[in-house]
Amino acid sequence: DVKVTQSSRYLVKRTGEKVFLECVQDMDHENMFWYRQDPGLGLRLIYFSYDVKMKEKGDIPEGYSVSREKKERFSLILESASTNQTSMYLCASTYQLLGNQPQHFGDGTRLSIL
Amino acid sequence: DQQVKQNSPSLSVQEGRISILNCDYTNSMFDYFLWYKKYPAEGPTFLISISSIKDKNEDGRFTVFLNKSAKHLSLHIVPSQPGDSAVYFCAASGGGGGSNYKLTFGKGTLLTVNP
Repeated sequence: DVKVTQSSRYLVKRTGEKVFLECVQDMDHENMFWYRQDPGLGLRLIYFSYDVKMKEKGDIPEGYSVSREKKERFSLILESASTNQTSMYLCASTYQLLGNQPQHFGDGTRLSIL
Repeated sequence: DQQVKQNSPSLSVQEGRISILNCDYTNSMFDYFLWYKKYPAEGPTFLISISSIKDKNEDGRFTVFLNKSAKHLSLHIVPSQPGDSAVYFCAASGGGGGSNYKLTFGKGTLLTVNP
């Protein structure tokens, strides 16, 4: 079974802080994703990485950056946290970028920015 | 613009009956459709998918139907069980414009199965 592990389940930070969310997958997947889930909005893609050091912006990249230094690890960085970034953050991975290949999700990090 | 729509925020059914979750889409270039199930405090888990060239796919109690002309798909769960209570997300992939990797999600439908 694919295991996608997000380092924190709950995180509370202050406005203006630099925040790191970490994600690790154990299946040697090339492709990793960061989403945020908000009530009434579903899942929205923030960033995507298709290889080490490679990244693409998703639908809502503003205020975020990412880092992929190793294949198994994909980090989401909030450069200067703001209250509108309070959300559930979900990391996912998949082996191939084929439409029928499901993405495997971690359990999420619930981030609160005060 | 919302390309994948789940118009029912919630659905309640009795145990043993059929649950039907609906999803509409606007982009005719989507080539696969997937359903994910999400329990509270857990990540979404993949349930079932269907190619745009098919009209039905079945996996145990779960069947997905696709009506391309109506740009509509539905997930049928028969018989429904209390453990099926979760949020169900419809997602579509493809969509053209170099974004074939991208999953576009609906907003989700909360299914409650009552014992």
